[in-house]
Amino acid sequence: GAVVSQHPSRVICKSGTSVKIECRSLDFQATTMFWYRQFPKQSLMLMATSNEGSKATYEQGVEKDKFLINHASLTLSTLTVTSAHPEDSSFYICSAMEGRGYTEAFFGQGTRLTVV
Amino acid sequence: GENVEQHPSTLSVQEGDSAVIKCTYSDSASNYFPWYKQELGKGPQLIIDIRSNVGEKKDQRIAVTLNKTAKHFSLHITETQPEDSAVYFCAALGYSSASKIIFGSGTRLSIRP
Repeated sequence: GAVVSQHPSRVICKSGTSVKIECRSLDFQATTMFWYRQFPKQSLMLMATSNEGSKATYEQGVEKDKFLINHASLTLSTLTVTSAHPEDSSFYICSAMEGRGYTEAFFGQGTRLTVV
Repeated sequence: GENVEQHPSTLSVQEGDSAVIKCTYSDSASNYFPWYKQELGKGPQLIIDIRSNVGEKKDQRIAVTLNKTAKHFSLHITETQPEDSAVYFCAALGYSSASKIIFGSGTRLSIRP
């Protein structure tokens, strides 16, 4: 299958700082990218959906000013956690889809964010 | 919106036996049902998927069945091996979810040697 590369795999930051996570589709053009958050022993919770060149669509309860998503090209989406706090510590996972629905979504390897 | 329920939450089977995980979905317009395997500290990996125009699909030791009328779909793993131990997620995608993949709650599968 296609490859989605997520970077960094782990990051530790201080409270109040911002962290950027990158998600790249390496061998296909990702029309749609998704960002998920996963707490320990829980399922993946969709945070937002982004289409290349347009604003991201956030799920209910997700603060768009805190979790900034940019999908500037067909191979790159970024998630920036602004003014991070310890409760933002989590496992963040991106996925990319070549079309708009009904096609396979490929997942990145995830980013473990720890805010101290 | 779509809601996906998954059972059981944990499953322990003897090596060599079969494992079955079941899911139900709420949106009758959903037409794509992937299954993912997630190992500790990693992202989910697609292991098999099925579309609504098919009732069953098999890939070596893994099979998935779909009952559209009942809105049920199941994962079957035969001849389980220690490397099958992981968390498995079912998911659904369809019109009303606007291309969003909605995940079930996950099943932690343990294979006893």
